[in-house]
Amino acid sequence: AAGVIQSPRHLIKEKRETATLKCYPIPRHDTVYWYQQGPGQDPQFLISFYEKMQSDKGSIPDRFSAQQFSDYHSELNMSSLELGDSALYFCASSLGLVNTGELFFGEGSRLTVL
Amino acid sequence: TQLLEQSPQFLSIQEGENLTVYCNSSSVFSSLQWYRQEPGEGPVLLVTVVTGGEVKKLKRLTFQFGDARKDSSLHITAAQTGDTGLYLCAGKLAGSARQLTFGSGTQLTVLP
Repeated sequence: AAGVIQSPRHLIKEKRETATLKCYPIPRHDTVYWYQQGPGQDPQFLISFYEKMQSDKGSIPDRFSAQQFSDYHSELNMSSLELGDSALYFCASSLGLVNTGELFFGEGSRLTVL
Repeated sequence: TQLLEQSPQFLSIQEGENLTVYCNSSSVFSSLQWYRQEPGEGPVLLVTVVTGGEVKKLKRLTFQFGDARKDSSLHITAAQTGDTGLYLCAGKLAGSARQLTFGSGTQLTVLP
């Protein structure tokens, strides 16, 4: 079965550069979530989209923005990168805003800021 | 402050032993999930519990949701080396539209 696809899997950037991460949800899933996981830390919720509209916002820095497109894929744009942005960025998808919180995660994009 | 506290944070046991991981909070959750994460990979959902006192079994894994829906436990019987990984509990607060909150994680290592 098709899973959540994230690209790129690995990304290396310099400080103050910009980066864009892409997420392709499971087919027919209309909700995507972005999480950031620092080394040795649990995933922290950044932002989510349902039917192309922002549904919830977590600890996403103002330097970051995201959107969901008509085909339900989502992109996380990160500008003025800082060393502390180095982390694993996970995208998850679900069918609708599930009340039980069951999410299907991608394999993540590892961002390294030098 | 961590909304969901997991204990222990690290656990190293021999193959064949039993173990229990705990996930505790002072808040009430409408549901709790347990995920397992391999290094460099995304979390994989193991189970969802929604009813206070609920017990679910998945082969050698037993999950329990506390009566008050504030805590959960994961018990593994006869651990195998393939059980090694980071176990994360996660929950959705009752009456809240907030998204899934993850626990601090338990890193389990099963030695041969």
